[in-house]
Amino acid sequence: SQQGEEDPQALSIQEGENATMNCSYKTSINNLQWYRQNSGRGLVHLILIRSNEREKHSGRLRVTLDTSKKSSSLLITASRAADTASYFCATDSGGGADGLTFGKGTHLIIQP
Amino acid sequence: EPEVTQTPSHQVTQMGQEVILRCVPISNHLYFYWYRQILGQKVEFLVSFYNNEISEKSEIFDDQFSVERPDGSNFTLKIRSTKLEDSAMYFCASSGQFNEQFFGPGTRLTVL
Repeated sequence: SQQGEEDPQALSIQEGENATMNCSYKTSINNLQWYRQNSGRGLVHLILIRSNEREKHSGRLRVTLDTSKKSSSLLITASRAADTASYFCATDSGGGADGLTFGKGTHLIIQP
Repeated sequence: EPEVTQTPSHQVTQMGQEVILRCVPISNHLYFYWYRQILGQKVEFLVSFYNNEISEKSEIFDDQFSVERPDGSNFTLKIRSTKLEDSAMYFCASSGQFNEQFFGPGTRLTVL
């Protein structure tokens, strides 16, 4: 099964607008994490939300988790040109050394 | 801020050659991981490592791959006999107690 599928695949918005990306998954999870990747570069950890949490904030980021719908959303408020990147959700099902399962990502473009 | 480092940033090798990719995880982390990302595709989990042994591995991590923690700081991925399809970006990650995984900048492996 495919775990951690993001939508939309691509999103283009104007600077200053809010960007919302969604992630769905199929099996039970322990944690869900969001990462940013600039073209050809490394993965930057943004936020982790546990399965018993419903919402988490970090700066301009807001993440929600709905385990009944097996979905999460990442909201970036007041977007900036520097937010242009690909955003991935990644899930694990528990355990300290559990590998993450990544989605294909949402490519976000912020138009100046 | 502590970060995961990887060397080299780019490795070019001939098919059939052995390569060793190196990583220095965050110093107080206990769990270490390798992932790969073939160009344009998802990030895929290869292997996790804890307490000096493999904790979990994916189907991709076959007998051609091995991992080692040769000393107190380095964590290596060896590919014994590279194939063309091993060309990818390889990411090392480490985590502490709660599986919040932090990634290195990656090594781009090109097999000719």
